[in-house]
This record gives sequence, structure tokens and C-alpha cells, in this order.
Amino acid sequence: NAGVTQTPKFQVLKTGQSMTLQCAQDMNHEYMSWYRQDPGMGLRLIHYSVGAGITDQGEVPNGYNVSRSTTEDFPLRLLSAAPSQTSVYFCASTYASRNNSPLHFGNGTRLTVT
Amino acid sequence: QQQVKQSPQSLIVQKGGISIINCAYENTAFDYFPWYQQFPGKGPALLIAIRPDVSEKKEGRFTISFNKSAKQFSLHIMDSQPGDSATYFCAAILSGNTPLVFGKGTRLSVIA
Repeated sequence: NAGVTQTPKFQVLKTGQSMTLQCAQDMNHEYMSWYRQDPGMGLRLIHYSVGAGITDQGEVPNGYNVSRSTTEDFPLRLLSAAPSQTSVYFCASTYASRNNSPLHFGNGTRLTVT
Repeated sequence: QQQVKQSPQSLIVQKGGISIINCAYENTAFDYFPWYQQFPGKGPALLIAIRPDVSEKKEGRFTISFNKSAKQFSLHIMDSQPGDSATYFCAAILSGNTPLVFGKGTRLSVIA
């Protein structure tokens, strides 16, 4: 199984540009989420979804949009990139109905905004 | 508001020594406490987890100690090896579809 696949692995954007970070999982997980990881800040939740058509905000949602049209995919959109969004982004998924189900992470997208 | 506080931020341990990472939580409704391990360039992965009705859980060289009254839990890595060098995150979760709450992470370096 591929697990959680994130693309691209690396991306450089100029301030004001837009882009979509892709995330796909093949484990039929209902729950999907996006985190950003910054030095000294740990993993901060951006948005999450408990199923197709349902999304909710996390700790740091500003500047990011999400949608969940299928169970497998959960793209993260940056509409107008800012240098403060330079970070490593992780997508993660798990079964929504079991809170002791492990969160499966992708290998991340390293984004630099200049 | 940080609901899970993790310390230390970084830790250097000699090979063969014991690595100890501590976490404290505030919400007594948390009912599952996992630890995640992250190697450079990779996403975090579940290492070991515990429920609050258990005071200790051991898997190989890794042990979680849980103190419900103090609202604290800790990860002990016995006989630490250079291959254990990674970032470790403690976490906590409520029942239902609520998101996992992570600590800020501890960067462990095991030196020979």
C-alpha cells in the first residue's frame, strides 16, 4: 500500500502566488488532516476533515483553504502565499470512528515562499 | 492555548543511557496518549501509546509511564542507541472525532 502520498516534495513560491498541496490516501480513512511543522513550534493543525464533504478549522487556518470531495483526497490551497507560510506541511489520515487508531503521516511538502 | 506541554525541547544522551521525555496535560477528558517518532525528512509515525487506566506500558526498549493524578506522562528509552536519534512528540486525544493534540516535540540525539 502507498499509504499517504503528498505532492510535491518541494516547492518554491513567490509572495502572492497560489498553489495546491496534494494529499491522497489509499487506506479508506475517513479522517484526514493538514499540519505545518516549524522549528520550536511542533505540529500545528491547519484544517481537518472527518469525511467527504465535511471540513473544519484547526489551530492555524488563516491563509489556507481545503475541500474534501472524495474519501481519498484532501488538497490544501494557498490562495496568496506569504513568507510566513514557509514551512513543512504534513498530511495525515486515520479512521474517524476509533480514537486509538494511529495517525498515518505522509512524508511532507517543504514549501519556501520568497 | 497549549493543552499538552512537552519537555525538554532537546536532549543529548550517551549511547546505552536512558532517554526521558516528559509531557503534562490539562484536560482530564483526554483518554488516549500516543507518542510519535519522526526521523529527518519523514513524517511522524506512531511509536507507542497508553490509555489512562494503565500506569505503564512497555514495548521493547520503550516505556510509557502515566501518572493520572499528576496529569503527566513520560517516555523512557532504555539502552538508547544512535538509531533512536529523532524528534519525539507526545500527544493526547479526546474520544470521538476530535483532532490529536501534540506537544511541541523533543529532539533527541544519542551520541556514541
